[in-house]
Amino acid sequence: KQEVTQIPAALSVPEGENLVLNCSFTDSAIYNLQWFRQDPGKGLTSLLLIQSSQREQTSGRLNASLDKSSGRSTLYIAASQPGDSATYLCARRGFNKFYFGSGTKLNVKP
Amino acid sequence: DAGVTQSPTHLIKTRGQQVTLRCSPKSGHDTVSWYQQALGQGPQFIFQYYEEEERQRGNFPDRFSGHQFPNYSSELNVNALLLGDSALYLCASSLGGGANVLTFGAGSRLTVL
Repeated sequence: KQEVTQIPAALSVPEGENLVLNCSFTDSAIYNLQWFRQDPGKGLTSLLLIQSSQREQTSGRLNASLDKSSGRSTLYIAASQPGDSATYLCARRGFNKFYFGSGTKLNVKP
Repeated sequence: DAGVTQSPTHLIKTRGQQVTLRCSPKSGHDTVSWYQQALGQGPQFIFQYYEEEERQRGNFPDRFSGHQFPNYSSELNVNALLLGDSALYLCASSLGGGANVLTFGAGSRLTVL
């Protein structure tokens, strides 16, 4: 069974903190891994894409890493801001489709 | 550059009815995938269309069907609606029949009463 698990399910931090969101997957046959952001009632916005041959990707205050051998990916957010409050989803790409986790709901308090 | 557009944004149906959701892919994309996202859950793959054919299907009953048109736009049809079909339906487009990089639309929120 293809499973993607995200821990924690919810996280509340004060503004300015650095934080790590975790994603684990059971199938190491991975094409790529993508992190998305979803605001309430909205669609998904792609944040970072890590190809299977890569170890990490960075965009601004975001850094995502991929360890295929352990079946894990992390999303690191530096100097969090209230505008970062959203649900963060990781998705493992299988053949022609993505398997999503249930997300981590992040609340950054001013 | 237009992204993925979906319509309608919200709709309410009653059990047993049928619904059609529409999606226009991002300019330059030719592949459309549909996902269902129940409240508090991650999106679940329904099916993918490429070259006007269903290429891959997730674990959804035959009540869920789709179509892709020559201009690459797509429709998702759900027959005999159940309460459990209430969800956000997301369309994602990509290029070349694969799913390497998905661009998602804002979704269609379906409520079944």
